[in-house]
Amino acid sequence: AQSVAQPEDQVNVAEGNPLTVKCTYSVSGNPYLFWYVQYPNRGLQFLLKYITGDNLVKGSYGFEAEFNKSQTSFHLKKPSALVSDSALYFCAVRDPYGQNFVFGPGTRLSVLP
Amino acid sequence: SAVISQKPSRDICQRGTSLTIQCQVDSQVTMMFWYRQQPGQSLTLIATANQGSEATYESGFVIDKFPISRPNLTFSTLTVSNMSPEDSSIYLCSVGDTKETQYFGPGTRLLVL
Repeated sequence: AQSVAQPEDQVNVAEGNPLTVKCTYSVSGNPYLFWYVQYPNRGLQFLLKYITGDNLVKGSYGFEAEFNKSQTSFHLKKPSALVSDSALYFCAVRDPYGQNFVFGPGTRLSVLP
Repeated sequence: SAVISQKPSRDICQRGTSLTIQCQVDSQVTMMFWYRQQPGQSLTLIATANQGSEATYESGFVIDKFPISRPNLTFSTLTVSNMSPEDSSIYLCSVGDTKETQYFGPGTRLLVL
């Protein structure tokens, strides 16, 4: 069965600094990996995904993520954080043979002015 | 991506009552999903709803408690039956697209007293 870990409950970063939100996964076969963001009192918004191809994927709002198969990781990154990036971030995995997603526990990002 | 709306956006209910949550999509989709997000927690899949067939429930969720309807390719309902305070959560519907991604509605925030 697939699983997702986000080892940090909370990440604090100063505005303008680079940010990283970590995600590791476990799945049989080649994974489909996703990042979503949840702003207060909102649903989840899709940021980016890795299915195949280039290990570095770019997504919405200047975010990118790097797929590392040997480390089974899919860390979310942004070169310069904005206060408006403060939100709850979820990593998710789907095995290529099914439709169900498994979500990580979430990481709360706080960008301090 | 599909535009998804949910009704109601929030509700406060008395224990023992039932609430039906509606999910409307602006395009025809094959797969719709219902998730629960308990306070401070990640998302847990309740069931998958495909048009023309019975919903498929995940372990720990049963049809008597969470009956689902899927009358057409743009609409689904989830009923939370005989509610208790433990049912207080955000309930989210999502749809799957042909490119493997799931897109989420804004959620229904339920408080059971």
